[in-house]
Amino acid sequence: AQTVTQSQPEMSVQEAETVTLSCTYDTSENNYYLFWYKQPPSRQMILVIRQEAYKQQNATENRFSVNFQKAAKSFSLKISDSQLGDTAMYFCAAPSGAGSYQLTFGKGTKLSVIP
Amino acid sequence: DSGVTQTPKHLITATGQRVTLRCSPRSGDLSVYWYQQSLDQGLQFLIQYYNGEERAKGNILERFSAQQFPDLHSELNLSSLELGDSALYFCASSVGLIGNTIYFGEGSWLTVV
Repeated sequence: AQTVTQSQPEMSVQEAETVTLSCTYDTSENNYYLFWYKQPPSRQMILVIRQEAYKQQNATENRFSVNFQKAAKSFSLKISDSQLGDTAMYFCAAPSGAGSYQLTFGKGTKLSVIP
Repeated sequence: DSGVTQTPKHLITATGQRVTLRCSPRSGDLSVYWYQQSLDQGLQFLIQYYNGEERAKGNILERFSAQQFPDLHSELNLSSLELGDSALYFCASSVGLIGNTIYFGEGSWLTVV
């Protein structure tokens, strides 16, 4: 993707509540994969969820789910029943282009879960 | 634990010096990627190797170089270091080229003083 945009630099949510992080991307690919990664204070990059663009069904991983709108090139992450351990930077990633596969990352959304 | 191993975890060096960062991909992964994350910056793609061959280049400086060896481990060489090179350098790996999940190592913290 030439650009991956995360429009919310920072967000906060009360513990046990639900929060949605936004992401839009631009790609010329037809079949591709999208990812959300989490980076806690330890700075490790941890895969949260993956979406295959050719699948209409939104991906779900436990409390994490996505709302994938292919035509709109939108890929938001919903976190349900937020936990303190969800406090982290969240990065959306989309493919950079044809040929060798690489990801372009958004600038990230800093999520704080408030007890 | 992602299975991607990076060494060293922390490194402090002086301007003008050269350092080598090492990465062992997950077992079975043929692709290795290097990313740079500076303070207040997102992840910048540097370079990708697949089964020993360079496959893609991003915003990698000419002072930086990388290679992937026959045993699939990779090294990122940073030379003539400048203060602005201080960053967290991630290695990541995936099974193939297209559509595979990319798993990240814990990163190597480089501080140039």
